[in-house]
Amino acid sequence: GQNIDQPTEMTATEGAIVQINCTYQTSGFNGLFWYQQHAGEAPTFLSYNVLDGLEEKGRFSSFLSRSKGYSYLLLKELQMKDSASYLCALRSNDYKLSFGAGTTVTVRA
Amino acid sequence: DVKVTQSSRYLVKRTGEKVFLECVQDMDHENMFWYRQDPGLGLRLIYFSYDVKMKEKGDIPEGYSVSREKKERFSLILESASTNQTSMYLCASTTRTVPNSPLHFGNGTRLTVT
Repeated sequence: GQNIDQPTEMTATEGAIVQINCTYQTSGFNGLFWYQQHAGEAPTFLSYNVLDGLEEKGRFSSFLSRSKGYSYLLLKELQMKDSASYLCALRSNDYKLSFGAGTTVTVRA
Repeated sequence: DVKVTQSSRYLVKRTGEKVFLECVQDMDHENMFWYRQDPGLGLRLIYFSYDVKMKEKGDIPEGYSVSREKKERFSLILESASTNQTSMYLCASTTRTVPNSPLHFGNGTRLTVT
């Protein structure tokens, strides 16, 4: 089985940086994904980590430590449009993808 | 671009009705998934399928069944709808041939059971 934990809510100011942590326990690891979901819309893919380290994609970066069961998503130069839920998702060896409950990020002017 | 299409955006059904939620993808993906999403609980996996006529139970399969007769189509069936099945239902697909292939989601079906 899998257990995925992430904070429920975070608030930050426009232009700032926010780090969303995700801790997990799993019996079989085959990759960690981050998704963004705006209210009323489907989740969209942000990033993927399967090896330890940092993956950078423009303003968004994601980090993974498999030994610690830990990942974070870093959002830099926050914009109002970044207000959304951010979902940490774990893929197991059978390609099943399990999601955390999501972190709602609110960006204030 | 991958397209995952769910047949209905909104559905209202009565308790005890049999409900079909349809999902079609156009990228020849092997894997297809059905999730439900509820506030505070996130996305929970109901069923998934690796290939035609194959299905695997997810974390909350009770009260649901699925059908995959063609590779592009994955149907979720509520045999006898109940009020606790009121939820947002999301279909997704992905390929096994590319290791970092993400899930591609449909726009969701908001089902209300009265």
